[in-house]
Amino acid sequence: SQTIHQWPATLVQPVGSPLSLECTVEGTSNPNLYWYRQAAGRGLQLLFYSVGIGQISSEVPQNLSASRPQDRQFILSSKKLLLSDSGFYLCAWSVLGLDTGELFFGEGSRLTVL
Amino acid sequence: QQPVQSPQAVILREGEDAVINCSSSKALYSVHWYRQKHGEAPVFLMILLKGGEQKGHDKISASFNEKKQQSSLYLTASQLSYSGTYFCGTLRGGTSYGKLTFGQGTILTVHP
Repeated sequence: SQTIHQWPATLVQPVGSPLSLECTVEGTSNPNLYWYRQAAGRGLQLLFYSVGIGQISSEVPQNLSASRPQDRQFILSSKKLLLSDSGFYLCAWSVLGLDTGELFFGEGSRLTVL
Repeated sequence: QQPVQSPQAVILREGEDAVINCSSSKALYSVHWYRQKHGEAPVFLMILLKGGEQKGHDKISASFNEKKQQSSLYLTASQLSYSGTYFCGTLRGGTSYGKLTFGQGTILTVHP
């Protein structure tokens, strides 16, 4: 069966520090991968989307970046965190497009920037 | 373009019914519904693809109107386990193929 893992689960970082969140998917090949952010009490905002290795689409201009070095690995990074980067980050995957299938979410990474 | 959900919050007692709406100003290719428990990841409930479609399992069902601009989620005889935030996600197709845009969420609280 397919599983998705994110880490770390929680982290507290000072403003200006770097960030690296990692996500891996098991049990499937060539998934579409996504990074979403959820600010406290808010909805889900799509940050990045990838259909294959090295292929990244950015949905919102910001100081974050994403990379997909391997088929089932998706990494969210920042060189210098801002206070506004605090939130709940969710990695997700889907089989091909979402026109007929569901989005599977990881457990999430809660980031607090102080 | 973000879909609009209403109401923003609902408070129920066990056994009561609720309806959550999701609207867009333009026709949608499909609508997804998800539920998120506090501090957890969202979980898929169902997807509607066709205008006029209705789906459901157990006591949770949803509809997609003929013009494909509005979807409603129906929770019947609510249980404590229904509490959480409900999100609709819309997929417009074309250049936005493969990307869901979520509404702001509806917080549902069920009390004993």
